[in-house]
Formats: sequence, structure tokens, C-alpha cells
Amino acid sequence: DSGVTQTPKHLITATGQRVTLRCSPRSGDLSVYWYQQSLDQGLQFLIQYYNGEERAKGNILERFSAQQFPDLHSELNLSSLELGDSALYFCASSPYGTGREQYFGPGTRLTVT
Amino acid sequence: DAKTTQPPSMDCAEGRAANLPCNHSTISGNEYVYWYRQIHSQGPQYIIHGLKNNETNEMASLIITEDRKSSTLILPHATLRDTAVYYCIVQNYGGSQGNLIFGKGTKLSVKP
Repeated sequence: DSGVTQTPKHLITATGQRVTLRCSPRSGDLSVYWYQQSLDQGLQFLIQYYNGEERAKGNILERFSAQQFPDLHSELNLSSLELGDSALYFCASSPYGTGREQYFGPGTRLTVT
Repeated sequence: DAKTTQPPSMDCAEGRAANLPCNHSTISGNEYVYWYRQIHSQGPQYIIHGLKNNETNEMASLIITEDRKSSTLILPHATLRDTAVYYCIVQNYGGSQGNLIFGKGTKLSVKP
């Protein structure tokens, strides 16, 4: 158990819908990272927040957005969902803003039908 | 793109040492070598990291060549639970961004 929690574990929704994925980092960790893992693309970095502020952006679509709240939990919002958004979404946390080891949650499996 | 090259798959007998190689010939001086593993759709798990000295922890040992162009992760006594995809990642320690760039990794199958 990494200490990172993600909810929900599974999510099934229809195309065009909007969903919110939630991540609670390990106690004391200030950084939250979001990654997407699909069968054809592997693990891809989406976005990083550090202490409430966006720190880095990866291959995140404009239809996706995220935020980190004062209690350090983070939410990833996915809108106008397409079939291709079906994937595992992981968040990871780290005490640090840059580099260093990251601790991953169990993931949310999103299925868009 | 990932800065590392790993064999796509390897087998290992249970109880034997598993030696997973990684090539990172373009590594720069301020980049560390990190290893993570992912057991069947679970979240990736941090294993170990190092700069130039060999490192050991309760999970594994990391051997980095003197020129730092390659490394080997050693699981000293592999068990069936070590079956996973192992990712070797080169990352700037303390750089401006901390995101990990995952390649395809090595799928390690530990067989009884």
C-alpha cells in the first residue's frame, strides 16, 4: 500500500459525458502527478501540481483539467469523453516538487462506451 | 521519448537472481537512474534509484557501470510475485520538472 488513494476504482460512462477522478496523496506529500495508461500509448504523464499550483504539463488534452485543493487532494476532470479516453488513470505523489521518487495510487479504470 | 533501452521480456526461475539490464548511453551528469515496476495494471511501484554508486535496499540492488551508460537491476531471489513490467527511467534529480517518462519496460516472468 503506497498510501495514495484514488476514487472511484472503476468508472463506466458514455461518450460526451464528464467525469471527475479523485486522488488523495500520501500524508505530507505536496506534489501530485496524473498519468494515463492506455493499451496503445503506455504510461503518459498528464499534469503535475505542487502545493496547489500547476507545476508541469504533459500530453493533457484541452478537454481535461485538474486542480489541487488546499488540503492537497487533487481532482482530474475529463469532459466530452470519447471512446479513446478509456484507460487507467493513475495519480502519484511525492514530497518534492522536482525529481525524486513518486508513489502511485491503485488507479481508476475508466471505460467510455 | 524514453532515454533508455530495455529488453522487451525476460524469464527467470523462482528463487534465482533476476538481472534486468538497461541501456542509457545518453545520460547526463545530473540525471539519476530510477527503477519502477508495475504488477498487472496496479500502480507502478518505486524500487530503487542511483547516480553512480551501486545501491541496495530491501527490494533490490542497482549496479551502474562506471561510465554510467548502462545499469542492471538485481532481484536477488525472485519470487512469483516479482512477475511484473520493470521500467528503467532516467530523470533529472531536482530539475524543473519531476514527471516520469516511461518506456515500454521489460516484462519479467518468474516461473516455478
